[in-house]
Amino acid sequence: DIQMTQSPSTLSPSVGDRVTITCRASQGVGTWLAWYQQKPGKAPKLLIYKASTLQSGVPSRFSGGGSGTEFTLTISSLQPDDSATYYCQQYDTYATFGQGTKVEV
Amino acid sequence: QITLKESGPTLVKPTQTLTLTCTFSGFSLGTHGEGVGWIRQPPGKALEWLGIVYWDDDKRYSPSLKSRLTITKDTSKNQVVLTMTNMDPLDTATYYCAHRPPYELLWFDIWGQGTLVTVSS
Repeated sequence: DIQMTQSPSTLSPSVGDRVTITCRASQGVGTWLAWYQQKPGKAPKLLIYKASTLQSGVPSRFSGGGSGTEFTLTISSLQPDDSATYYCQQYDTYATFGQGTKVEV
Repeated sequence: QITLKESGPTLVKPTQTLTLTCTFSGFSLGTHGEGVGWIRQPPGKALEWLGIVYWDDDKRYSPSLKSRLTITKDTSKNQVVLTMTNMDPLDTATYYCAHRPPYELLWFDIWGQGTLVTVSS
């Protein structure tokens, strides 16, 4: 199984801050990586796929990067509505998710 | 507009079999390239992919749960059914079905609202 490890586990930034979440894969997954945002009691929402492709309708302050084993999700200027837990997911070999990063604005 | 909704029991007893139905609209599993997956999330924990069924009735399952899972589709009803045998309290989770975009790999663009299943005697 490919293991996905996110860091940090929690973040407490301020509105307007630049925020970066890191996701590491236990083996190379190319650019087969997605990012999701999940708010309490809600289903996950797709933000990014293929490591850096922004899903339609997602604000441009979200961006993704990386390849192989290390990936990042960046929020360029944090907004109050961005309070959520963020998950990475590899889909190179089946699908596995990271443990999540909670962002508390 | 694609929507999906899960339905089924909220409480099952240990050793019982769980059957959940995903009813969807806005696409058809009779269309080439389409797929519907299942993902679960124990309370306060991370997401776990369970399996997927494709338009051509091909299926893929999580290796760790493969022996307990069956996914079927009813194209005429726009439904996908997940069956999980030998339920255990550790299977308590919110179960989601989700749409995989046509001909893409295993990522999901639209999710159902989820249904919480509790396993307890």
